[in-house]
Order: sequence, then structure tokens, then C-alpha cells
Amino acid sequence: DVKVTQSSRYLVKRTGEKVFLECVQDMDHENMFWYRQDPGLGLRLIYFSYDVKMKEKGDIPEGYSVSREKKERFSLILESASTNQTSMYLCASSPGRGGLYGYTFGSGTRLTVV
Amino acid sequence: GQQLNQSPQSMFIQEGEDVSMNCTSSSIFNTWLWYKQDPGEGPVLLIALYKAGELTSNGRLTAQFGITRKDSFLNISASIPSDVGIYFCAALNYGGSQGNLIFGKGTKLSVKP
Repeated sequence: DVKVTQSSRYLVKRTGEKVFLECVQDMDHENMFWYRQDPGLGLRLIYFSYDVKMKEKGDIPEGYSVSREKKERFSLILESASTNQTSMYLCASSPGRGGLYGYTFGSGTRLTVV
Repeated sequence: GQQLNQSPQSMFIQEGEDVSMNCTSSSIFNTWLWYKQDPGEGPVLLIALYKAGELTSNGRLTAQFGITRKDSFLNISASIPSDVGIYFCAALNYGGSQGNLIFGKGTKLSVKP
């Protein structure tokens, strides 16, 4: 069964900590995405990548960075976590260019910053 | 930018009822997708639509690609408790250049108390 795996289901971090959220896909997909999900706001795109070492800003990149050193792995980095970054984070991947066949999502990481 | 207006935002279902939700936009799209997110999980693709007017079923779920290409509808017949969750519409203009999916804000289905 093809999968997008997020390394943690739940994380609790302190304000100011550097936080790494890891995502691995086993489908040889070119495209990978990071979203955050908050009640009433839907899915908001943080960053995406169409290829190794390539990254593009989404709609809400402030306070985040990403790394894609290998095709299968896309990491989201919170340089200095703040309480307003408490959220559900979803990683997704898709083949080829565009979302023609939809994205495959991971199960999510619920991050709490205290 | 392009936006998808999904309604209703939330609804309560009683077992056996039919459920309808829709997604509209002022922009034209050539792909519409419907996802379901179970509590505590990531969204899962339910149905993909690629042609205006197309009607596609997946079990008790039926989705339609609106003829104007600006909207899409999802119906669930004879709802059951495991239908609860958040349903998202998503749309794409795919014309040879890269394009990301645009998502609606979701319709949350809950069981009537």
C-alpha cells in the first residue's frame, strides 16, 4: 500500500525551540507539500517542492522553512516555535506536474507549542 | 486569487438520511476532486472528476462536475455513522503548466445528538 509517513502523530514543544517535522513517501512522487489545518480555515499551503533541492513558498510560509535533500523526504522546520504555530500539520505528495490525480496525504502531526 | 466556496460549513446527519454538499467558484476548473478526512487522520481521495457534466459514483457517494465547470456537488445516500468527518472539495486548472490543487474549507459531518 502506497504511503506518506509523518514521523510523529503528536508533538509538544516549547516556545523558541527549533522543531523538525519529517515526511517520507514511498511512491517515487516528484511533488511534495506541507499544509497546516486549523478549524474554520481549512488547509493552508506552507511550502511545496517539485524536485529535490527545490522549494517554493505557499500561502503562509512565514516562520517556516523546508528541506528536500532526497526525493522521498520533505522536512518542515519551525526555526523558533511560537504558540500561534500550534496546529495540525499535513504532508502530501503527488506524481508528475500538478495535482491532476490528487494528492496522497499523511496522517498528520498535531503540534502543540507551549 | 482563486477560491472555492464550500457549503454547508457543517451539518448533522441522522442515520439513513441523504446528504448533499457543494463547492462553487467564480473561476473555471478542468479537474474536481472530493476528499474525506476522518477524525485524527489525513484526507483521503474519494472521487475525481475530469469532464464537465461528469457524474461519478463510489459506493453510496455520487459526485458531479458542474456543466459550467465552476462548481461540483457531492451526495451521500443513506448515511451511516462512519460517514462523519470533514469533506473537502479540491480543484485544478491543468493546462500543461504546473498548478497546485485549491481546496475548499471543508464540510464537517457530525451525527445528530
